[in-house]
Amino acid sequence: DTEVTQTPKHLVMGMTNKKSLKCEQHMGHRAMYWYKQKAKKPPELMFVYSYEKLSINESVPSRFSPECPNSSLLNLHLHALQPEDSALYLCASSPSAGGLFFGEGSRLTVL
Amino acid sequence: AQSVTQLDSHVSVSEGTPVLLRCNYSSSYSPSLFWYVQHPNKGLQLLLKYTSAATLVKGINGFEAEFKKSETSFHLTKPSAHMSDAAEYFCVVSDFRGNAGNMLTFGGGTRLMVKP
Repeated sequence: DTEVTQTPKHLVMGMTNKKSLKCEQHMGHRAMYWYKQKAKKPPELMFVYSYEKLSINESVPSRFSPECPNSSLLNLHLHALQPEDSALYLCASSPSAGGLFFGEGSRLTVL
Repeated sequence: AQSVTQLDSHVSVSEGTPVLLRCNYSSSYSPSLFWYVQHPNKGLQLLLKYTSAATLVKGINGFEAEFKKSETSFHLTKPSAHMSDAAEYFCVVSDFRGNAGNMLTFGGGTRLMVKP
C-alpha cells in the first residue's frame, strides 16, 4: 500500500472552475513533488518543495499554484485550466537521498 | 547531464517464461538507478533501487536488476512472468541535489504484456 495519499482520485472541472488536489505523507520526508503524466508517457516534473519551501518550478503555467502548508501536506490549486491540462497528477515524497515514493495519482479531466 | 534509454517500448512474453526489460543510462558520476512499475490507472511503485552497494539488486515480486558500469546498463529481469506483471515499467536515474530534492530522469517506459 502506498504511504502517499492523494485526493480526490478523480476530478472533472470546467475551464472556469477553481479546484485543488491534495497530497499527504507521514513518512517524515522533507521533499515533496508534483508530477504531471499524460497517457503513455513518463511523468514530467512540475514542482519540488524541500523543507516546505518551493525549490523547483519547471516553468509551469500560473494556472497551477502549489502550496505546502506543512511538512506532511502538499496542495495543487487549479484555476482556469485548459482541456490539454487533462492528465494524471502524481504526488511524491522522498527522504534526503534515494528514490521517490509516489501516490496513486489524481485523474483530472478539464471540459 | 543524465539520460535513460529503455531499448524496447513493448515486450511480450508468455506466462511462466523469463522477462528481460533493457535499460541503458548516461551519467557523469556514480548514479542511483531505479525501476518503477505502473499498473493501469495507478501510481508508480518502486520495484528496486541501486545506490552503489551490491551490483545485483533484488526487488519486490521476484524482480532483480544488475548494474553493469562497463556497459552503462541496468536491465530488469524476472525468471518467470505472471499475468499480474503486465504493466508499464520505467527505468529511472536519480540526481540528489541536497535541499532541492531528488531529480529523476525517466526512460520512455516499456509496456510488458503477458500472454496466457
